[in-house]
Amino acid sequence: GQNIDQPTEMTATEGAIVQINCTYQTSGFNGLFWYQQHAGEAPTFLSYNVLDGLEEKGRFSSFLSRSKGYSYLLLKELQMKDSASYLCAVRSERGYQKVTFGIGTKLQVIP
Amino acid sequence: EAGVTQFPSHSVIEKGQTVTLRCDPISGHDNLYWYRRVMGKEIKFLLHFVKESKQDESGMPNNRFLAERTGGTYSTLKVQPAELEDSGVYFCASSPRDRLPVGYTFGSGTRLTVV
Repeated sequence: GQNIDQPTEMTATEGAIVQINCTYQTSGFNGLFWYQQHAGEAPTFLSYNVLDGLEEKGRFSSFLSRSKGYSYLLLKELQMKDSASYLCAVRSERGYQKVTFGIGTKLQVIP
Repeated sequence: EAGVTQFPSHSVIEKGQTVTLRCDPISGHDNLYWYRRVMGKEIKFLLHFVKESKQDESGMPNNRFLAERTGGTYSTLKVQPAELEDSGVYFCASSPRDRLPVGYTFGSGTRLTVV
């Protein structure tokens, strides 16, 4: 089966750094995505990792360790607008296009 | 370019009624997906079209759900008859066929409430 775990809620301070963890157990692995979803809006694509290591994109970075079934999303210089849910999703080899989502981490950025 | 459009944004229907959700993907995107989020749960895959063909419908809950994509453009998802447990947010997403790997582009979703 497919199982993706991430914390349900986190709180961080404006200007700080926050790391959102995701662990997964899936029948195969063909890439891991992070999405951002503001309340009532569509999820939007943030990052994609298929090889081990860190991918940096502006204030956001995503890390993957395939051997550990682990990823994290790092948000630097937090802004109030970063308050949103962050969804970890894995594409397994079976079902080439289909991805399995975690429940999402609701991040609240406070002044 | 226009994004993924879903209609209606909200729908409230009585148990036993029929509802049809519509999704217009980004023009030229061959891949179209339907996902559903029940309150308090994760977003779950329903099915995947490549053009007009159903590539994977392993996530469809039961035969009360029928998805179509005639002509390979927009798609509809019909629930007939609706049950209380069908309430949730139904998301549609699309992606281009050959530019892999890329993330999906999601629509804003249809919030379905069955009472």
